[in-house]
Amino acid sequence: QAQLVQSGADVKKPGASVRVSCNSSGYYFTGYYIHWVRQAPGQGVEWMGWMNPNSAATKYGQNFQGRVTMTGDTSISAAYMELSRLTSDDTAIYYCVRDRGGSKAFDIWGQGTLVTVSS
Amino acid sequence: QSALTQPASMSGSPGQSITISCSGTSSDIGRYNYVSWYQQHPGKVPKLMIYDVSDRPSGVSNRFSGSKSGNTASLTISGLQPEDEADYYCSSYASGNTLVFGTGTKVTVL
Repeated sequence: QAQLVQSGADVKKPGASVRVSCNSSGYYFTGYYIHWVRQAPGQGVEWMGWMNPNSAATKYGQNFQGRVTMTGDTSISAAYMELSRLTSDDTAIYYCVRDRGGSKAFDIWGQGTLVTVSS
Repeated sequence: QSALTQPASMSGSPGQSITISCSGTSSDIGRYNYVSWYQQHPGKVPKLMIYDVSDRPSGVSNRFSGSKSGNTASLTISGLQPEDEADYYCSSYASGNTLVFGTGTKVTVL
């Protein structure tokens, strides 16, 4: 069955960058957009952006412009999200999610990666 | 892009129906029929419950239904059950090929 498996939890210092990986299996990787969303502790869900694995095109949310980079490696069906200039406000669970196609609805979710930013 | 507005909490007794609202603008909910709803139990990953305003993925109970009027979308849970106690988030496709989530609603089954 289709699934997304993310890299493990990470701890970073303020000002550093973090890279989260997302490995897909069970479906045609280049056929579906991958989005990234995050959820701070006890808070709601925030959309970060999307990446088209087929073309490598991306679109980032306004709150992350200039700080986030989303890429993919079609040879291993993996997606990556790198966030730079981290602050404590970036402490959150980061999810990669599959766009079911055309609907901007997320039918497959990774298990989440907790990124903690602390000095 | 501001978050869509949802009530912070709602509650109901088993068997009752509740309707969660999700208020947006003419640049998101009002413009596109791409509203989705997600259910999230504590410590769990969100689950897609409704997409394209009112469609249900395979395996989702028909007690869950979605609708939209103008800039506001709604999720109705009929025949409330204890396992429906969770957080619910709406989302909508928005202008500029972006997406926005709602503020989230905590549903309590009394």
